[in-house]
Amino acid sequence: NAGVTQTPKFRILKIGQSMTLQCTQDMNHNYMYWYRQDPGMGLKLIYYSVGAGITDKGEVPNGYNVSRSTTEDFPLRLELAAPSQTSVYFCASSDSANEQFFGPGTRLTVL
Amino acid sequence: QKEVEQDPGPLSVPEGAIVSLNCTYSNSAFQYFMWYRQYSRKGPELLMYTYSSGNKEDGRFTAQVDKSSKYISLFIRDSQPSDSATYLCAMTRAGGTSYGKLTFGQGTILTVHP
Repeated sequence: NAGVTQTPKFRILKIGQSMTLQCTQDMNHNYMYWYRQDPGMGLKLIYYSVGAGITDKGEVPNGYNVSRSTTEDFPLRLELAAPSQTSVYFCASSDSANEQFFGPGTRLTVL
Repeated sequence: QKEVEQDPGPLSVPEGAIVSLNCTYSNSAFQYFMWYRQYSRKGPELLMYTYSSGNKEDGRFTAQVDKSSKYISLFIRDSQPSDSATYLCAMTRAGGTSYGKLTFGQGTILTVHP
């Protein structure tokens, strides 16, 4: 099992550009999450999904969108990138409230 | 006031020391408490998980939860250089729409030097 995979590993965007961060899990988990991690700030939940076709906002959803058309994939879309979206983005999945399995992260810089 | 406060450190200790990491929280609805370890430029990985109050031990690691004081701790005995990482506390409510939505502390950077 590859677990949770994320692409790309790194990306530099210009202000106003858009991009999609990809996340795939091969553990057949129902729950998937997107977090952002800023230096010294811990992780903050952006969006989450409890199953295919069901998504909901987390703590910091503004400027982002998600979709969940399959169990495996949970892409995060950034529209009109802003410098405030410079961060490390982590995708995670779980089959319970107990353990979330995290991907390796995507480092995004918006200039 | 943040829902979860964690001593940010950084913390630097000699090999073999006992390390104490702590978080306080304000939301009494939190029922599940976790400690994640994050190595540099990697994703977090679950280290310890406890439900409600009490202690849990796993090898050199002990997690404590005191719900009456809204305080959780992680102790590392006989610390090793390989324990050098950022430690994140996390917690969540039980059931309903909060299922699995973790609230994290800021993280504590730990360095264990030989």
